[in-house]
Amino acid sequence: DVLLLQSGGGLVQPGGSLRLSCAASGFTFSSHGMSWVRQAPGKGLEWVSSISGPGGSTYYADPVKGRFIVSRDNSDNTLFLQMNSLRTEDTAVYHCAKGHLRDGFDPWGQGALVTVSS
Amino acid sequence: QSALTQPASVSGSPGQSITISCTGTGTDVGGYNYVSWYQQHPGKAPKLMIYEVSDRPSGISDRFSGSKSGNTASLTISGLQAEDEADYYCSSHTARYTVAFGGGTKVTVL
Repeated sequence: DVLLLQSGGGLVQPGGSLRLSCAASGFTFSSHGMSWVRQAPGKGLEWVSSISGPGGSTYYADPVKGRFIVSRDNSDNTLFLQMNSLRTEDTAVYHCAKGHLRDGFDPWGQGALVTVSS
Repeated sequence: QSALTQPASVSGSPGQSITISCTGTGTDVGGYNYVSWYQQHPGKAPKLMIYEVSDRPSGISDRFSGSKSGNTASLTISGLQAEDEADYYCSSHTARYTVAFGGGTKVTVL
């Protein structure tokens, strides 16, 4: 079975940094684009970023462009999201998902809560 | 404000059919056949129900169907069941190489 297991998340002060990880299993990781989607408390889904299978192409939503960096280690089947210059409005549950820009995202990781607060 | 417009809520009785709309523009929904639909129960991760406008992933009931006309995509749930009560989100690839989501629709089974 395809499985995405997330780690990271937590409480960070505004302006701080945090890195999320997403360990994949059950499929050929390097052959598939991956994405990050977030959901602020009580709000809807918001796409954050996507990365191609080989990792050479990355895409970002405007609110996070220049602050977040998506990367992957295909030798370790792991996806990352480095979040810098965090703002209170970045507070959300962050999900990783298998799938790229044109794909349906399937499946999703269990989610990691990121709280940005002083 | 979400990029794609969905009704905030839709309701129906068990056994009935309901349809959720998702309206975008020619640079997203209308321009590509890359519309997906997700079901999300409270406290759970979203689940893919429809991809590429009308295709169902393996294991998804054929009570769920998708379609598109112009800039509006639709998700129809037929034979409504209590377990279908959830939030539903549409998404679309966009011309800016991003993904747009709808604001979500709460489905209530009366």
